[in-house]
Amino acid sequence: NAGVTQTPKFQVLKTGQSMTLQCAQDMNHEYMSWYRQDPGMGLRLIHYSVGAGITDQGEVPNGYNVSRSTTEDFPLRLLSAAPSQTSVYFCASSYGGSSYTDTQYFGPGTRLTVL
Amino acid sequence: AQSVAQPEDQVNVAEGNPLTVKCTYSVSGNPYLFWYVQYPNRGLQFLLKYITGDNLVKGSYGFEAEFNKSQTSFHLKKPSALVSDSALYFCAVRDGNYGQNFVFGPGTRLSVLP
Repeated sequence: NAGVTQTPKFQVLKTGQSMTLQCAQDMNHEYMSWYRQDPGMGLRLIHYSVGAGITDQGEVPNGYNVSRSTTEDFPLRLLSAAPSQTSVYFCASSYGGSSYTDTQYFGPGTRLTVL
Repeated sequence: AQSVAQPEDQVNVAEGNPLTVKCTYSVSGNPYLFWYVQYPNRGLQFLLKYITGDNLVKGSYGFEAEFNKSQTSFHLKKPSALVSDSALYFCAVRDGNYGQNFVFGPGTRLSVLP
């Protein structure tokens, strides 16, 4: 299993540009999430999905869109990038259901800089 | 709302000495607590979790954590530190407001000195 994969690893955007961060998992996990990591703030939840066709907002959803058309993929879209979105983005997945005991598995991250 | 505090930004320890990385939490309901480690330019790796039962939880790479309900703490420990343990450590608690997702602490950077 490759686990959770993310592309690209690095990206530089100009203010106002759009892009999609890709995330895929091959563990047949129902649950997928996007977090952003900023220095001194830990990770904060952007959006999440409990299964194909179902998404919901997390703590910091503004400026980001998501969709979940398949179990495997969960892309994150920045429609009009802003310097405040400079961060490291992590995708995560877990088995699903209503269990609070499941471990989340994280991808390697995408480092995004918005100029 | 759930919250996690890691009171130390940085912990320095000599190789071979015991290490402790501190975590305190605030939750409504049952605490489901996790520790993750992040090596430079890598994603987060799961170390261990407390769900219920024994207050001493053993995890990967020789790490363990002690759950203390009265002190609302979940400190990460290792009896003998290695230089390769140097990394960023995150404590996290399940956030009931967002399903299975976590509230993370700000992280503690551990440096093990040879």
